[in-house]
Amino acid sequence: ELKVEQNPLFLSMQEGKNYTIYCNYSTTSDRLYWYRQDPGKSLESLFVLLSNGAVKQEGRLMASLDTKARLSTLHITAAVHDLSATYFCAAESSGNTPLVFGKGTRLSVIA
Amino acid sequence: DTAVSQTPKYLVTQMGNDKSIKCEQNLGHDTMYWYKQDSKKFLKIMFSYNNKELIINETVPNRFSPKSPDKAHLNLHINSLELGDSAVYFCASSQSGANVLTFGAGSRLTVL
Repeated sequence: ELKVEQNPLFLSMQEGKNYTIYCNYSTTSDRLYWYRQDPGKSLESLFVLLSNGAVKQEGRLMASLDTKARLSTLHITAAVHDLSATYFCAAESSGNTPLVFGKGTRLSVIA
Repeated sequence: DTAVSQTPKYLVTQMGNDKSIKCEQNLGHDTMYWYKQDSKKFLKIMFSYNNKELIINETVPNRFSPKSPDKAHLNLHINSLELGDSAVYFCASSQSGANVLTFGAGSRLTVL
């Protein structure tokens, strides 16, 4: 059974600082997904990482995938308050199987 | 135009009642899902349908019965509601081969 673990689960960081969220998954998966959820809102797709070594960047967020280590990272650069949200990673055990989500990392960016 | 729409957005009901949540997507996707998000924000798959056929049925009490009249709709009916059913239920859709899910806004169910 595929398990997806994120850490940390809670992250409070100051504006302007950098930090990384880690996502480990337990079985072979070639694809990894990152989603963002604002309080009381739905989930929004951020990144889809489709192969080993994939790196994607959007603004202050950069995601990468190492399929050999079964690890994805979401790096936050020079955090701003607008990045405060819960970030989920998700993996699939094979094509066309539903995504299995991590428990989410609740990020608070404070002045 | 809302891509994945769920109704109702909020549902408050008594234990033992039966309720339904409806979901529709206008993206032309062939796969739809129900996910449950509990109070700790854990998100867990409940059901997956592909072209109206049930693909995944995770360990969910049989009080929960999904129905897909066509590939654009996936409804969730819940019988004999229990306190533990209180959660936010998200509908989502995707296209086979590209597992990028588009989520609905969620339906917050509160069982008293």
